[in-house]
Amino acid sequence: EAAVTQSPRSKVAVTGGKVTLSCHQTNNHDYMYWYRQDTGHGLRLIHYSYVADSTEKGDIPDGYKASRPSQENFSLILELASLSQTAVYFCASSEPTPWGSQNTLYFGAGTRLSVL
Amino acid sequence: GDSVTQTEGPVTLSEGTSLTVNCSYETKQYPTLFWYVQYPGEGPQLLFKVPKANEKGSNRGFEATYNKEATSFHLQKASVQESDSAVYYCALRNTGYQNFYFGKGTSLTVIP
Repeated sequence: EAAVTQSPRSKVAVTGGKVTLSCHQTNNHDYMYWYRQDTGHGLRLIHYSYVADSTEKGDIPDGYKASRPSQENFSLILELASLSQTAVYFCASSEPTPWGSQNTLYFGAGTRLSVL
Repeated sequence: GDSVTQTEGPVTLSEGTSLTVNCSYETKQYPTLFWYVQYPGEGPQLLFKVPKANEKGSNRGFEATYNKEATSFHLQKASVQESDSAVYYCALRNTGYQNFYFGKGTSLTVIP
């Protein structure tokens, strides 16, 4: 069974502070993603990575950095947390998609972040 | 750009009644279409996917047909159960691309 583990599961941060959300996968997947979930917006892609030591911007990257030190680990970093970044964050992994082949996303359980 | 639009929630149904969650999409590429389900306290998980136009996907009594002409992928179930209470997401992924595009999600509550 594919496994994506996120830590912490919940966090309270102060405005202007630094927050790091961690993700670990045992799927041996090349691709890893960070999504943000908000009521009324659904799931939006922040950053993704297809190989260690490389990250790519998603649809809403402003205010976020990502780090992929190994195939298994992918972190999301909020250097200066703001109230607007209060949300649930999901990490996911998938296999790459050769042309004509479509694979699915495997999600972690999420991290609930509250910025006060 | 690519986008997915689905029924605004929340939706509340009684057990045994039928469900339809509308989903429409926009893309100039060749997508695979997905339905994901998210139970309380968990991450989204795949319900089913359909890679080809005019084909039907199904799982756990849910089904949807990839209608390329109408650019739609509506989720249906004939008789819902309390255990179906969850948030449902329609999504697309274009062939050769790595990003998924999700709808805003539809929250379903089934009353016994």
